[in-house]
Amino acid sequence: GAVVSQHPSRVICKSGTSVKIECRSLDFQATTMFWYRQFPKKSLMLMATSNEGSKATYEQGVEKDKFLINHASLTLSTLTVTSAHPEDSSFYICSARGAGRFNYGYTFGSGTRLTVV
Amino acid sequence: AQTVTQSQPEMSVQEAETVTLSCTYDTSESDYYLFWYKQPPSRQMILVIRQEAYKQQNATENRFSVNFQKAAKSFSLKISDSQLGDAAMYFCAYRSMGGSEKLVFGKGMKLTVNP
Repeated sequence: GAVVSQHPSRVICKSGTSVKIECRSLDFQATTMFWYRQFPKKSLMLMATSNEGSKATYEQGVEKDKFLINHASLTLSTLTVTSAHPEDSSFYICSARGAGRFNYGYTFGSGTRLTVV
Repeated sequence: AQTVTQSQPEMSVQEAETVTLSCTYDTSESDYYLFWYKQPPSRQMILVIRQEAYKQQNATENRFSVNFQKAAKSFSLKISDSQLGDAAMYFCAYRSMGGSEKLVFGKGMKLTVNP
């Protein structure tokens, strides 16, 4: 089945630094990638949607200059949290949709726990 | 905008028993998809079942089945013969058939399975 590999699974960074999270679709072409943020015991909050080769579409209230999304290829999308602050600490999840066989499916990465100290 | 409501934050069930998780949604669209996702402690989101709104027949996947009531905008999930591995957060989600592909999630419900 479709697999999305998300790395790192956990990261601790100092306040003010940037962190990059990668999501790779291993056996299909991810035409669309969704990035979510999840607070403890809460639902998934969509941050942005990106299509390969296009600029990401951000949800209302999400700072595009702080959360940089790149979807340069059909198998790789990245989320960079720039100038991270403790309030950015959260669980980040990507979800990919592909064309063809997997067209109805959303394949989720295993998530990244970001802690900013 | 579409909304998804899961009114029960937590439920528990005895192993081997049946439990029903409720979900309601609000939309003005006639065609859409509905999903139930499971998120175990590993935090990996797993698709449990999917329903297309244009299909009258309720979706079934082994021990999991739905009761889709389109007029009532209700989409409940029934888990039969509950197993310890069913313990997880369960999220109901909605997706428009046209336009935006994004999923709209409910707040989730924590299911505990007691041995």
